[in-house]
Amino acid sequence: AQSVTQLGSHVSVSEGALVLLRCNYSSSVPPYLFWYVQYPNQGLQLLLKYTSAATLVKGINGFEAEFKKSETSFHLTKPSAHMSDAAEYFCAVSYYGNNRLAFGKGNLVVVI
Amino acid sequence: GAGVSQTPSNKVTEKGKYVELRCDPISGHTALYWYRQSLGQGPEFLIYFQGTGAADDSGLPNDRFFAVRPEGSVSTLKIQRTERGDSAMYLCASSPRGTSEAFFGQGTRLTVV
Repeated sequence: AQSVTQLGSHVSVSEGALVLLRCNYSSSVPPYLFWYVQYPNQGLQLLLKYTSAATLVKGINGFEAEFKKSETSFHLTKPSAHMSDAAEYFCAVSYYGNNRLAFGKGNLVVVI
Repeated sequence: GAGVSQTPSNKVTEKGKYVELRCDPISGHTALYWYRQSLGQGPEFLIYFQGTGAADDSGLPNDRFFAVRPEGSVSTLKIQRTERGDSAMYLCASSPRGTSEAFFGQGTRLTVV
């Protein structure tokens, strides 16, 4: 079974400060990993994805994430937060041959 | 509009009634998924179609929930005898064949009163 853990439902970050959202996964086979962003009353938008190519993945809006197999992690970072980054962020996992996504509970990011 | 389209955007229904939620995927996408998102939670998988057939319906919570995709494009999620616990955002997503990237619609917010 695959699952995703995101700790800390609410994350406050100052404008201009580093954004760090943690994601740990459990999967019995090599995973595909995703970060999605959800703005209020909207659907999910893909930020970036890892599918067994480069371990450092760059996404939209200045976000990036690093796949670390030894730590079973896929943390999301952005060097400098902007007010427009206020949204909910979800980490998700799937694996080859099984298209369903398993999502974490999400992090609501507030930029102050 | 080239994205995934879901209608209606909001649906309020009385307990015990039947509802249908529609999803129009991106043209040419063979895979279609339904997810349910409760308040404060991440989306939970319901069902996955590859073409016209349900390849995986293991996420449907009980037999009140059913989904179809008769022509391999538009899908309808059907809920019978709605209960207040069915209130949630229902999300649809589609993917091209051979990729793992899902494109989501804006969802239908279902409220059962």
